[in-house]
Amino acid sequence: GENVEQHPSTLSVQEGDSAVIKCTYSDSASNYFPWYKQELGKRPQLIIDIRSNVGEKKDQRIAVTLNKTAKHFSLHITETQPEDSAVYFCAASKDTDKLIFGTGTRLQVFP
Amino acid sequence: KAGVTQTPRYLIKTRGQQVTLSCSPISGHRSVSWYQQTPGQGLQFLFEYFSETQRNKGNFPGRFSGRQFSNSRSEMNVSTLELGDSALYLCASSLLAPWGETQYFGPGTRLLVL
Repeated sequence: GENVEQHPSTLSVQEGDSAVIKCTYSDSASNYFPWYKQELGKRPQLIIDIRSNVGEKKDQRIAVTLNKTAKHFSLHITETQPEDSAVYFCAASKDTDKLIFGTGTRLQVFP
Repeated sequence: KAGVTQTPRYLIKTRGQQVTLSCSPISGHRSVSWYQQTPGQGLQFLFEYFSETQRNKGNFPGRFSGRQFSNSRSEMNVSTLELGDSALYLCASSLLAPWGETQYFGPGTRLLVL
């Protein structure tokens, strides 16, 4: 079955710096890759997603890139702010199959 | 629209007991997924229901079961509780499916097994 590995498990950056979180998936048939953000004590919320027919997607300070050949995708956050501090989860799925999540990255942005 | 709701929010049980958790999806959403969240393990998929049918199942023992009602509300049951079942249980709803669509999560039920 699908397996998603996520790195790093923790990431500390200075406010204004960029942060990059990487995920690798095992099933080459996977075609949907969302990213969820979970602030402390709150529920996960979708922040961006990408499908396999697209190599990159951007939404303001957040971007996701997908490399289908290498089977990995990454979340890029530019100009980080303290409110970006949270746990970020990547996930992967293929049609009619379950969504498999990575183990999460705790991002801390220091002012 | 009201968001996804889960009841109860907190639960304390002892080993060997059973527990039932409830999830009410966003109105109009027909897909409900359940996840177990523990520190270091992330979100582990339990099962997903659509139109009262289980479409997908994760790698959990048979002690974990679920069902969905005609109004899309869902319940999950854990029988013969073990200490390792202590976790935050999250449900999430989607319009039709968790693949390719946004999942909206509930606040979770925090289960503590003593």
